[in-house]
Amino acid sequence: AQSVTQPDIHITVSEGASLELRCNYSYGATPYLFWYVQSPGQGLQLLLKYFSGDTLVQGIKGFEAEFKRSQSSFNLRKPSVHWSDAAEYFCALKSSGDKLTFGTGTRLAVRP
Amino acid sequence: SQTIHQWPATLVQPVGSPLSLECTVEGTSNPNLYWYRQAAGRGLQLLFYSVGIGQISSEVPQNLSASRPQDRQFILSSKKLLLSDSGFYLCAWSFLDRVDTEAFFGQGTRLTVV
Repeated sequence: AQSVTQPDIHITVSEGASLELRCNYSYGATPYLFWYVQSPGQGLQLLLKYFSGDTLVQGIKGFEAEFKRSQSSFNLRKPSVHWSDAAEYFCALKSSGDKLTFGTGTRLAVRP
Repeated sequence: SQTIHQWPATLVQPVGSPLSLECTVEGTSNPNLYWYRQAAGRGLQLLFYSVGIGQISSEVPQNLSASRPQDRQFILSSKKLLLSDSGFYLCAWSFLDRVDTEAFFGQGTRLTVV
């Protein structure tokens, strides 16, 4: 069975500080991994995705994520957080059967 | 380009009443379709997904059911709502057999069961 774990429920950072959101997965084959962002009361927007090749992937809004197979992780990073980045972030894994499983999300707050 | 429509945006229903949420996709054929529920503080729970007409996989035994009467239409239903059915419901689609592509989400339906 596949699963995604986001160990941090809430994170607060100061504007301009760096950010790392953790994501760990469990899957028996090559994972296809995604990060989404959700503003309050809205649908989800894709930030970036990994399916092969370079393990460091770049996304929109200055985000990047690094796939580490040995650690079963796909952590999301941003060097300098903006107030507009406050939202909820979801890591997701897609299996070969097209089943898409999400983590429980990390809510990010940004201090002025 | 492809678009996904989900309605209604908000819904308040009494306990024991039926439910029907509809989702349609335009601009593509044979999509994978998904229903998710997002309860407060509980992340996105996959309820159903479908790889074709009449093919529904249920992930969580519960009070809900899903149907796909047409290729690009996905319906979430309940015969009798429970208080615990309250939440934010999201429909999504992805390209069939393209595991390396993302899912695209509708704007969601906020369901409150009273």
